[in-house]
Amino acid sequence: QVQLMQSRSEVKRPGASVELSCKASGYAFTNYYIQWVRQAPGQGLEWVAIVNPSDGDTSHAQSLQGRVSVTRDTSTATVYMKLNNLKSGDTAVYYCATASFDYWGQGTRITVSA
Amino acid sequence: QSALTQPPSASGSPGQSVTISCTGTGSDVGNYNSVFWIQQRPGKAPKLIIHGVNKRPSGIPDRFSGSKSGDTASLTVSGLQAEDEADYYCISYAGNNNYVVGSGTQVTV
Repeated sequence: QVQLMQSRSEVKRPGASVELSCKASGYAFTNYYIQWVRQAPGQGLEWVAIVNPSDGDTSHAQSLQGRVSVTRDTSTATVYMKLNNLKSGDTAVYYCATASFDYWGQGTRITVSA
Repeated sequence: QSALTQPPSASGSPGQSVTISCTGTGSDVGNYNSVFWIQQRPGKAPKLIIHGVNKRPSGIPDRFSGSKSGDTASLTVSGLQAEDEADYYCISYAGNNNYVVGSGTQVTV
């Protein structure tokens, strides 16, 4: 069965960087895009980024321009999202999901605090 | 890209129906038949209930239905049940591999 397993929660200082991972299993990794969506405490969902695991092509939300990068490792069927220059507003649960949002990871809580 | 507009809340009694709107623009909802509806129960991960405007994934009851007219998509939940109490979000493709999410609607049964 399709599973997306995400990395553990982390606490970071403002200005630091964080790299989240999302390991896919149960399907052909390169056949489906992976999305990233985040949810700040008590807030709604926000689309963050997307990656094509086949060729590594990415796109991301304009609001995160210059701070987010998404990569993939086809040998381990894992997608990585790195967020730089963290701000308090980046505190959220980050989810990865398959292309059509039909499968979701369990979420990774990122807390940015001094 | 601005968030899609949803009503903050909606409610209905058990057995009744509730419809949630999701208003975008001609650059997203109005231009693509790639609208998704996501259900999120408290403390849980999001769950897909509608894709492609009006298609239900396997296992989603036919009480959930989707539609679209112009720049507005809608989700209707018929025969409300207590388990339908959740937050609902619409998501639309917005071109160039970008997506936009709705502001979310809290449904109370």
